[in-house]
This record gives sequence, structure tokens and C-alpha cells, in this order.
Amino acid sequence: SQKIEQNSEALNIQEGKTATLTCNYTNYSPAYLQWYRQDPGRGPVFLLLIRENEKEKRKERLKVTFDTTLKQSLFHITASQPADSATYLCALGGVNSGYSTLTFGKGTMLLVSP
Amino acid sequence: DAGVIQSPRHEVTEMGQEVTLRCKPISGHNSLFWYRQTMMRGLELLIYFNNNVPIDDSGMPEDRFSAKMPNASFSTLKIQPSEPRDSAVYFCASSFQGGGGTEAFFGQGTRLTVV
Repeated sequence: SQKIEQNSEALNIQEGKTATLTCNYTNYSPAYLQWYRQDPGRGPVFLLLIRENEKEKRKERLKVTFDTTLKQSLFHITASQPADSATYLCALGGVNSGYSTLTFGKGTMLLVSP
Repeated sequence: DAGVIQSPRHEVTEMGQEVTLRCKPISGHNSLFWYRQTMMRGLELLIYFNNNVPIDDSGMPEDRFSAKMPNASFSTLKIQPSEPRDSAVYFCASSFQGGGGTEAFFGQGTRLTVV
């Protein structure tokens, strides 16, 4: 069965360091992958999308890599700040009968301390 | 646009009662998704609509759950009768699907507690 794995343990880092979150998947061939941020009591908010034929995507302090051979995506936040503390969800996208849907991992909580 | 609007934000109900959750998607979006989030299972897709038509409801847990989208600006998710195991946060999301891979915009969610 399809499985998406994100580290369930919170990632604690110091302000200024680079945070790296991992998303692994099995039994899945996604057409694209997305990363979302979720704050307590709020809905997920889209951050980045990367397609299967792309290796890397950047947006300001964020960088995403996508390795379809390893079936893994890495999400990096450089120069992290306490305001980056949140849960980060990866979502795999597929196209089924012409319609795109997202399947989410459970997310990893990031805590950035000053 | 105010984004995806869900109501109510919180709902506490007794087991056996009917619960109706409401969603107003972003104007111009042609796809609407209902998700359920729990600590144990994460964010699960329940059903999605495209141009107001239900496309896939395979994620709906059982017949007690039903969803409708009577027009492009409104959708409901109904649970009848509700059970304690239905307690979760329910999210509605919308997107514009024109070629695949578009971002989903989520509402604030409805926290449902069934006692």
C-alpha cells in the first residue's frame, strides 16, 4: 500500500542554522510533490511545489529537492528563525482520470529556539 | 478574496446527533476537497469535487458520512449519526485545476468533538 513517511519526532534547532526535513514514500509514483506549513489551530498553507522531472526548487530561504530514484524529498530552511517553528507536511500529487489529488504525510514539527 | 471559509469553527455534539459542516471555496476555483485530520492518521482525503460533481468519495469512512456541493460557492459535509470516533478537525480546501499540480488553499478547519 502507499506510504508517506515523515519523521514523527520534533526537530529542534537553533536560530540561524539550516533545518532539513525528510519525506520518504513507497509504492507511489507522484507526478509532483508539495510542501505545506501548518500552525496550531490553522489549516495547512502551501509553500513549494516540485515536479517529478525537477531536481531542486528554491524560494527565498526555502529549498526542496526531489529524488524519484530514492523516493525521497528533502526540505531545507536556511538561516532559520523562531517564526519558522511549525509543522511541515509533504504531500504527493497524482493525476487520476485527469484530476489531481494530494496525499499528505503526517508532518514533522520544527522548533527553532532563539 | 477572504480565502476558504468554514463554519462552524468548533462543534461539540452528543453521540447520535446529526452534524453539518459548511464550506465556501475561493471564487473561481473549480475543485473542492474535504479532509479529516487526527493525530493518529494525519490528514486524510474524504471526498473531492470538480465543477460541483463528486469525483472520488472512496475516502469517506462509511455511509454515515455524506457530502454535497449544490453550487460552485458552497459545500456541506454531513455526519448522521455522529459517533465519538468522528472527533477530529475537518478541513475544506479548494484549488483551480487546469493542468495538474496546483496548490490547495485550506480553510481554518472545524474542530468536531462528539461526546
